[in-house]
Amino acid sequence: SQQGEEDPQALSIQEGENATMNCSYKTSINNLQWYRQNSGRGLVHLILIRSNEREKHSGRLRVTLDTSKKSSSLLITASRAADTASYFCATDDRGSTLGRLYFGRGTQLTVWP
Amino acid sequence: DAGVIQSPRHEVTEMGQEVTLRCKPISGHDYLFWYRQTMMRGLELLIYFNNNVPIDDSGMPEDRFSAKMPNASFSTLKIQPSEPRDSAVYFCASTLIGTGNTEAFFGQGTRLTVV
Repeated sequence: SQQGEEDPQALSIQEGENATMNCSYKTSINNLQWYRQNSGRGLVHLILIRSNEREKHSGRLRVTLDTSKKSSSLLITASRAADTASYFCATDDRGSTLGRLYFGRGTQLTVWP
Repeated sequence: DAGVIQSPRHEVTEMGQEVTLRCKPISGHDYLFWYRQTMMRGLELLIYFNNNVPIDDSGMPEDRFSAKMPNASFSTLKIQPSEPRDSAVYFCASTLIGTGNTEAFFGQGTRLTVV
């Protein structure tokens, strides 16, 4: 399967703590993206990191990419109860049609107030 | 722009009935994707279009599933006849690849229940 795999499947933390989610994939990529899904809603794009980038920040989000290990991590700092959601990584694979994304199974994050 | 619009939001139907799901992509986007999400299988790509032309339908599970995109602002996913195992949330997403950015914009989904 070309799908990415998130780890852990579920994560439960207290407000104020940092949350780290990992993603592993199998192929060469153009870029890797992280999405968020609130219960009962569609996926929302959070951040995109290109294959030639190693780290990217957006507000409380920090994404790293290690193409040699075919892995990425998403760090949410100072988490809030509103961050409770499922988080998915998606890869835009170099060998596939441009725009075709491969999604992982997601990490369910629960942030307790 | 209002984003990707899907209808209906919820659909409950009896086994054997025809179901049609609708999607209006973001104006100007050149790619449209149909996904299915279940607890067991996660997010599966069913089919996608580029400039209204189907590019890859290898994810369509069976001949009971069909999708069309008659114009740049409308797409349908049809299941005929429907079966209980088709119950899932179906998402439509669109992207503007022309800018080189492959960020996908998702609709709110249609929750389909086949009884």
